[in-house]
Amino acid sequence: GAVVSQHPSWVICKSGTSVKIECRSLDFQATTMFWYRQFPKQSLMLMATSNEGSKATYEQGVEKDKFLINHASLTLSTLTVTSAHPEDSSFYICSAPISYEQYFGPGTRLTVT
Amino acid sequence: QQQVKQSPQSLIVQKGGISIINCAYENTAFDYFPWYQQFPGKGPALLIAIRPDVSEKKEGRFTISFNKSAKQFSLHIMDSQPGDSATYFCAASRSGAQKLVFGQGTRLTINP
Repeated sequence: GAVVSQHPSWVICKSGTSVKIECRSLDFQATTMFWYRQFPKQSLMLMATSNEGSKATYEQGVEKDKFLINHASLTLSTLTVTSAHPEDSSFYICSAPISYEQYFGPGTRLTVT
Repeated sequence: QQQVKQSPQSLIVQKGGISIINCAYENTAFDYFPWYQQFPGKGPALLIAIRPDVSEKKEGRFTISFNKSAKQFSLHIMDSQPGDSATYFCAASRSGAQKLVFGQGTRLTINP
């Protein structure tokens, strides 16, 4: 089956620093990937659509200068949380589609202290 | 228009019982309806999905029932097991868009 990986699985950073999260499709190519944020006991909130070879598309209310997305290749998308603050602490999950089906990564737990 | 409403928020079922989770949508352009299972600290995993051209799809103990006219779909878990205890999300998307709209989630607990 299709596998999506994320790295790191968890990260702790200090307020004001930047953190990069990688999302890879291991056995298929993905021209599009999606980034979600999930707070405890809540649903997944779509943050942005990552497009290979073009700019990411951000959902309403998501600060594009704070959450930088780069779709470097057909198998890699990165999310950089810039100048992180404690309120950015969350579970970040990426997904990649094959036709209609979305395959999700295992998630990255970000804690900002 | 973009919302998918899911109920109940939490559900407790005895082992061997049937778990039923319901979702309703507004956007008639949605044409793909998946269900995801998520364990704590993990990403969601696709469980089963349905397209609106069929009213029911069954895979093992999991069944999706789809009512196009009512704009509702539901997940039935037969012979529920403690290992089924997880959070379940319904979702919907439009063809070509691939963006999923998620329901609020249901925390399912199966008592042994």
